[in-house]
Amino acid sequence: QQQVKQSPQSLIVQKGGISIINCAYENTAFDYFPWYQQFPGKGPALLIAIRPDVSEKKEGRFTISFNKSAKQFSLHIMDSQPGDSATYFCAASPSGSGGTSYGKLTFGQGTILTVHP
Amino acid sequence: DAGVTQSPTHLIKTRGQQVTLRCSPKSGHDTVSWYQQALGQGPQFIFQYYEEEERQRGNFPDRFSGHQFPNYSSELNVNALLLGDSALYLCASSLLTGDTDTQYFGPGTRLTVL
Repeated sequence: QQQVKQSPQSLIVQKGGISIINCAYENTAFDYFPWYQQFPGKGPALLIAIRPDVSEKKEGRFTISFNKSAKQFSLHIMDSQPGDSATYFCAASPSGSGGTSYGKLTFGQGTILTVHP
Repeated sequence: DAGVTQSPTHLIKTRGQQVTLRCSPKSGHDTVSWYQQALGQGPQFIFQYYEEEERQRGNFPDRFSGHQFPNYSSELNVNALLLGDSALYLCASSLLTGDTDTQYFGPGTRLTVL
């Protein structure tokens, strides 16, 4: 019940295309859903995050879509660029400042994105 | 404003040895979480420290222990190293009582056990 399942494992898109990565979860206690970008040899960097009270959040070329009833959320990267080539991780955690399980992120398995010029 | 820093960058140990990894959180943060990231996998939560105490723990054996100091920096100790402990160890900092759940990760320490 603690798992977050991510797909696809790898993704190749052309420059200017749309990259879509999907995640699904089981634990209904999860209510904070961040996406992280990781380059080789570096730590994960937060891209964008969403809570279940909204169905979509957009920041620049990055959009999260959230479907609470299906327990699924996805990352869309518009106008994908070669510099976006990296590994992307979805994650989830129970929220609530100071809550018992605050900050215990459960990560998906990762998606290796390659954007061809 | 310095972000999360970790030391050392790389470390090579042999089976059975002990290792200590260090983390300094982002300025203003009071909570430190440690994660293990095996090659090709997502990070796995080890434990979290707040007010110098272990606040919650993932599914890791007692060989993994930690400490948080009054200045909020933290150490991760691993005893009796196994080959399977080879991984990137990530530290993440956050503010427990803040209005956001955002965790900021450091660059990690690459541990190789031979």
